[in-house]
Amino acid sequence: AQSVTQPDIHITVSEGASLELRCNYSYGATPYLFWYVQSPGQGLQLLLKYFSGDTLVQGIKGFEAEFKRSQSSFNLRKPSVHWSDAAEYFCAVGAMEYGNKLVFGAGTILRVKS
Amino acid sequence: DTAVSQTPKYLVTQMGNDKSIKCEQNLGHDTMYWYKQDSKKFLKIMFSYNNKELIINETVPNRFSPKSPDKAHLNLHINSLELGDSAVYFCASSPTGTGRETEAFFGQGTRLTVV
Repeated sequence: AQSVTQPDIHITVSEGASLELRCNYSYGATPYLFWYVQSPGQGLQLLLKYFSGDTLVQGIKGFEAEFKRSQSSFNLRKPSVHWSDAAEYFCAVGAMEYGNKLVFGAGTILRVKS
Repeated sequence: DTAVSQTPKYLVTQMGNDKSIKCEQNLGHDTMYWYKQDSKKFLKIMFSYNNKELIINETVPNRFSPKSPDKAHLNLHINSLELGDSAVYFCASSPTGTGRETEAFFGQGTRLTVV
């Protein structure tokens, strides 16, 4: 069965500090990997995606993520967090073999303290 | 010029009523989806359509019936609403034939509250 695990329900970081949000997946097919962000009361915005090639991908708002096949991980990072980054972050996995549906992790709520 | 738009954004209704949520995308995508986000923010796919044909139906109760009049529209009709149907429903679309079929573009969501 396909599954995505985001081990951290909440993370609090200070503004200007670095950030890493963890994501692990279990998938029987070649996965495509995504990070989405959801601000309160808003929809889902795509931060970045991995299909193939370079395992370090750059996204919007200064975020990056690294795909590590051996660890089945796709962790999201940002070197310096801004207060506006406070939101909920979702890791998602998809595969054409499963009808292109996305399987989401439970989300990580990021709080930024000034 | 919204890419994926849903209406209404908020919907409050009584148990037992029937309601519809509409979704339109102007991205030229062939595949559209409905996802449900429950009160714990967990997101799960409900349906997907490819060019008006149902592709995925993830064990959703029969009270939920998607309808795709054309590939740019995917509506969700819900009969006999129950309290447990309260959630945020997201419409999404993705391109086909590009190798990026899993890349979904989401609408802003419809918050359904059943009272």
